[in-house]
Amino acid sequence: EVQLVQSGAEVKKPGESLKISCKGSGYSFTSYWIGWVRQMPGKGLEWMGIIYPGDSDTRYSPSFQGQVTISADKSISTAYLQWSSLKASDTAMYYCAKKGGSGLDAFDIWGQGTMVTVSS
Amino acid sequence: QSALTQPASVSGSPGQSITISCTGTSSDVGSYNLVSWYQQHPGKAPKLMIYEGSKRPSGVSNRFSGSKSGNTASLTISGLQAEDEADYYCCSYAGSSTFNWVFGGGTKLTVL
Repeated sequence: EVQLVQSGAEVKKPGESLKISCKGSGYSFTSYWIGWVRQMPGKGLEWMGIIYPGDSDTRYSPSFQGQVTISADKSISTAYLQWSSLKASDTAMYYCAKKGGSGLDAFDIWGQGTMVTVSS
Repeated sequence: QSALTQPASVSGSPGQSITISCTGTSSDVGSYNLVSWYQQHPGKAPKLMIYEGSKRPSGVSNRFSGSKSGNTASLTISGLQAEDEADYYCCSYAGSSTFNWVFGGGTKLTVL
């Protein structure tokens, strides 16, 4: 079964750093792009960026460039989303999603989400 | 780039059909046949319902269909069922130079 399993919920203070993970299984992890999507409480989906684990080619939405870092460790089939200094406005649910290949060009498999709460 | 424009809410009775629109620009929806639609139930992750404008993934009911005209894509759900009540989001590829994607603001579907 193709699946993405994300790390658990986090509660952090403003200014702290954080790295959340997304582990893929059941498919060739290095052959498909993995995207990250933010959903603030009660709000819609926002595309943050995407990485190709095969060569770590990474692209960011202009809205998130410089605010987060996306990375991947192909040896353990895991993608990451990290912050160096969290803000209260980073409080949200974060989803990773696998992008299909040619013939299914969309985000076909989603992780269960990681809730990040930033509060003093 | 700006989010795609969707109606905030739509509603319909069981058995009826509804259509949700998704309006973008000539830089995203109008330029690429890469609009996808996602269903999200409360507290759950999004689920892919339509990709590349009108294609259904394996396992998705044929009551769901997609289309596009110019800068506007549409999702139609026929034979509404109670379990269709959810939020629906459109998404479009938005440019090869930055490999960006953009979502719509979401539409809450209520089955009356």
